[in-house]
Amino acid sequence: EAGVAQSPRYKIIEKRQSVAFWCNPISGHATLYWYQQILGQGPKLLIQFQNNGVVDDSQLPKDRFSAERLKGVDSTLKIQPAKLEDSAVYLCASSLTIGVDEKLFFGSGTQLSVL
Amino acid sequence: GESVGLHLPTLSVQEGDNSIINCAYSNSASDYFIWYKQESGKGPQFIIDIRSNMDKRQGQRVTVLLNKTVKHLSLQIAATQPGDSAVYFCAEREGTNAGKSTFGDGTTLTVKP
Repeated sequence: EAGVAQSPRYKIIEKRQSVAFWCNPISGHATLYWYQQILGQGPKLLIQFQNNGVVDDSQLPKDRFSAERLKGVDSTLKIQPAKLEDSAVYLCASSLTIGVDEKLFFGSGTQLSVL
Repeated sequence: GESVGLHLPTLSVQEGDNSIINCAYSNSASDYFIWYKQESGKGPQFIIDIRSNMDKRQGQRVTVLLNKTVKHLSLQIAATQPGDSAVYFCAEREGTNAGKSTFGDGTTLTVKP
């Protein structure tokens, strides 16, 4: 079974530039998550989708971050304009659905460096 | 009184020894707990979980202990191998939505051959 696919693996940009990340979840997984992981810390949820609808975006800095999952499959996360403190690994995860004991499956992430 | 294991950011053990990684959680209403392993350059990978109505659960070479009285979780790895070297995170969750999981500080486990 193919895992969660993310691209690019690395991205280096200057502050105030824009950047986009792509995620393709495991086939059949209805729920998709974007996490931000700052070096040395655990992942922090940015946004959660169920099919193509947003379940939770309370931690998403909406003045600069946006995400979409238009067809309920793959998803993009965008940052515009980027700040130095956005340097982190951006992880995408998916799960079959929302339910008891649902397990998260993570991709390898995109490491973003903002200079 | 009962001792509570301290969370250590790093842990170094000899190959073949047992490892114990500790985690303190904050929400007394959390009812589901998960341990993840994160290898360098990869995303977190599920290891083992436990519900709040249990105090111990065993997997292959791993055991999770839950002490709700002091809000403490531990992961025990038996006969630690070099492939176990990674960062380990605990996560707590209240309810059924996996997106509501709160991750703790990681512990970097280094296994010396």
